[in-house]
Amino acid sequence: SQKIEQNSEALNIQEGKTATLTCNYTNYSPAYLQWYRQDPGRGPVFLLLIRENEKEKRKERLKVTFDTTLKQSLFHITASQPADSATYLCALMNTGFQKLVFGTGTRLLVSP
Amino acid sequence: NAGVTQTPKFRVLKTGQSMTLLCAQDMNHEYMYWYRQDPGMGLRLIHYSVGEGTTAKGEVPDGYNVSRLKKQNFLLGLESAAPSQTSVYFCASIVGWSPSMNTEAFFGQGTRLTVV
Repeated sequence: SQKIEQNSEALNIQEGKTATLTCNYTNYSPAYLQWYRQDPGRGPVFLLLIRENEKEKRKERLKVTFDTTLKQSLFHITASQPADSATYLCALMNTGFQKLVFGTGTRLLVSP
Repeated sequence: NAGVTQTPKFRVLKTGQSMTLLCAQDMNHEYMYWYRQDPGMGLRLIHYSVGEGTTAKGEVPDGYNVSRLKKQNFLLGLESAAPSQTSVYFCASIVGWSPSMNTEAFFGQGTRLTVV
């Protein structure tokens, strides 16, 4: 069966450290992968997109890697701040470019 | 520019009642999606549409129907609500598709539905 898995346990880190979140998928052939941020009571907000032929993407303090052999994406937030505390979701768009499916999300807590 | 608007924001239904959730987008987007979000389950795709007049099933379509009669609107219907449909429902839209486009999904603010 198809699965998109993210750590269900919250990730607790100290301010200033790098947060690394993992997204693993099985039985998908994604054209690309996206990362979203979701705050309580709000809809997800887009952060980054990485295509199947790209290894790494950066945007300010954010970095995403994509390994189609391992079927895994890593999402890094460097110099983390308490304001980065939120739930982060990965999403895949299938190669037919129609269905957008999401992982379960990982909650990040950054302590001062 | 309103983006994606969901109506209503909150609703309580009795088991067996019906209702329709409305999603409206003013960005001229082709693709629209309905998701439900339950604790620990992430976003699960219910139905989606890749253009006016088209709909398709997602991962959890049972108990729901949809219609896309106008490009800007995507309706989600519950014909006979069940307590298992208690959830937060999110609508999203994407401009459309080509491999070179750096597209992102825009989400509504969600509809919190309780079925008692």
